[in-house]
Amino acid sequence: GAGVSQTPSNKVTEKGKYVELRCDPISGHTALYWYRQSLGQGPEFLIYFQGTGAADDSGLPNDRFFAVRPEGSVSTLKIQRTERGDSAVYLCASSLWDRDYNEQFFGPGTRLTVL
Amino acid sequence: GEDVEQSLFLSVREGDSSVINCTYTDSSSTYLYWYKQEPGAGLQLLTYIFSNMDMKQDQRLTVLLNKKDKHLSLRIADTQTGDSAIYFCAESITGTYKYIFGTGTRLKVLA
Repeated sequence: GAGVSQTPSNKVTEKGKYVELRCDPISGHTALYWYRQSLGQGPEFLIYFQGTGAADDSGLPNDRFFAVRPEGSVSTLKIQRTERGDSAVYLCASSLWDRDYNEQFFGPGTRLTVL
Repeated sequence: GEDVEQSLFLSVREGDSSVINCTYTDSSSTYLYWYKQEPGAGLQLLTYIFSNMDMKQDQRLTVLLNKKDKHLSLRIADTQTGDSAIYFCAESITGTYKYIFGTGTRLKVLA
């Protein structure tokens, strides 16, 4: 079946602009995660959804970052007043709800460049 | 605190074994994972080990876990050029569902 998809694959924007990044999880996966991967680093957790609600948003760096998942499937990560330091690859993952083991399936990412 | 460390680079000859190492600090981790990342592609899960296990073997892959030293390793037997990629270890913490990733090890396989 189809894996996790993310759009756009690349996004170039100017400092101060607003961007939206979209994630389509694997059908039937109730858990959805956003990570940010800076150059030369491993992915860093941003936020986790269980269904429609954000169960853990402890990784969001500041209030310019916000994510929604209104119908419990597609999620959008929104970044306001972008800064050059926001440039990174934003990864989305999804998993079945499983208290003991939650293999996360990752999308290809969206590369965000803030000029 | 949560911190996962890996060496940055590893270079091996085709046919040799590769060993990629990882150290972690959180003793409450439940599962430990190895992911592979190729250019332009998403993270691909290679294997995982439950924290009460010492070893897991899966075809060419062998995972060793030393809980006392908080050390995890991935051995790839008969390394091929197609194994060239960045390898990340990750831990999931009991009671949460987020992964803590290491910095990644870039494996280069020389023909």
